[in-house]
Amino acid sequence: EIVLTQTPSSLSVTPGQPASISCKSSQSLLHSDGNTYLYWYLQKPGQPPQLLIYEISNRFSGVPDRFSGSGSGTDFTLRISRVEAEDVGVYYCLQSLALPLTFGGGTMVDIK
Amino acid sequence: QVQLQESGPGLVKPSQTLSLTCTVSGDSLISGGYKWSWLRQSAGMGLEWIGRIFTSGITNYNPSLQSRVTMSVDTSKNQFSLKLTSVTAADTAVYYCTRGRPGATAGEYWGQGTLVTVSS
Repeated sequence: EIVLTQTPSSLSVTPGQPASISCKSSQSLLHSDGNTYLYWYLQKPGQPPQLLIYEISNRFSGVPDRFSGSGSGTDFTLRISRVEAEDVGVYYCLQSLALPLTFGGGTMVDIK
Repeated sequence: QVQLQESGPGLVKPSQTLSLTCTVSGDSLISGGYKWSWLRQSAGMGLEWIGRIFTSGITNYNPSLQSRVTMSVDTSKNQFSLKLTSVTAADTAVYYCTRGRPGATAGEYWGQGTLVTVSS
């Protein structure tokens, strides 16, 4: 199965400052159809994960534009341009190129 | 807006079968050709994809659980279900059902999750 490695495991950010999370895959997530099936989720305390970014860089409906995704192949990054208090929680990357779907280990983001 | 709601017993005895149902509202299960999944989250294992089902009834399961998992769909009730046999304490987790993004399996809409504890 495809292994996703997220770094860092935790991040403490001053409000208004940027944050960046890395997700590295054990193999390329580029499908023969041209899409790359890498997703980012945020799980706020006591809630299910919510989709932020799909297929590397597309923001899901209602997601603020301070969130952006980039990368290709095996290396991907989620960036928050200016962290707000509501952004606290655990961020996960997910691949759906191959079954079974697999998640990264998560990055816990809190506010300084 | 699509909504999903998991339901089922919160406590299951070891060696017994865990049974959960996901009820979909706000849209028909059979519209759009979506893929419907079950996932779980435990303290020790993080997020784990259990498997998926198409409205045709076709299923794919995580190899780590394949021998114990069965998924089914009831389009007349707009529901899909999960059965996990021979449970142990390691199956204690919050179980989620999801609807995949168009053309994909990754969850776009998630239920709130239901905690299932395996204990005698």
